[in-house]
Amino acid sequence: ETGVTQSPTHLIKTRGQQVTLRCSSQSGHNTVSWYQQALGQGPQFIFQYYREEENGRGNFPPRFSGLQFPNYSSELNVNALELDDSALYLCAMNRDYAYGYTFGSGTRLTVV
Amino acid sequence: SQQGEEDPQALSIQEGENATMNCSYKTSINNLQWYRQNSGRGLVHLILIRSNEREKHSGRLRVTLDTSKKSSSLLITASRAADTASYFCAYQGGSEKLVFGKGTKLTVNP
Repeated sequence: ETGVTQSPTHLIKTRGQQVTLRCSSQSGHNTVSWYQQALGQGPQFIFQYYREEENGRGNFPPRFSGLQFPNYSSELNVNALELDDSALYLCAMNRDYAYGYTFGSGTRLTVV
Repeated sequence: SQQGEEDPQALSIQEGENATMNCSYKTSINNLQWYRQNSGRGLVHLILIRSNEREKHSGRLRVTLDTSKKSSSLLITASRAADTASYFCAYQGGSEKLVFGKGTKLTVNP
């Protein structure tokens, strides 16, 4: 039990569709980050939210968007899905970046 | 693109042996962290070492950091079969984002 919950665990979508991935925590983590991990690679930073504001973004197109809610839960939305979007999507939360992140178990997205 | 590099990419050892993994990076950092990932699922935070620290211990883990060489190493002593996993280093520079390497796949044989 990591304390960070992601849903769903697996998802299959068709190219061109839209998807919403969710992340929540039982604790008051005020920072949430999203990462994309392709098979055999390390996670790549998508973006980060702090107190509902985006405060950092990686090299991902605008069709990747997110939200953080007042209860610190978060969503990752991806529009116009492409085959290359197939990956494990990881949510990470913390209260203070100097103490490491708690990751969820991830959502495995397959685009066909 | 990845800006951290782990070495070796894969490591296979016998139970009871020590495992050493290395990590190199290219920029100045605030801290460097090591994570473990089992079977392509979520990452588990193992240890964080700040840029002004040179060595840190946590149980069977020992991490070193050499900022002049921009490198770090993770030592797992007395390895167990349950240590079989992928290990990633990740650093934080000026922003809070983590920059990961490609990882080292460790196999500990019983």
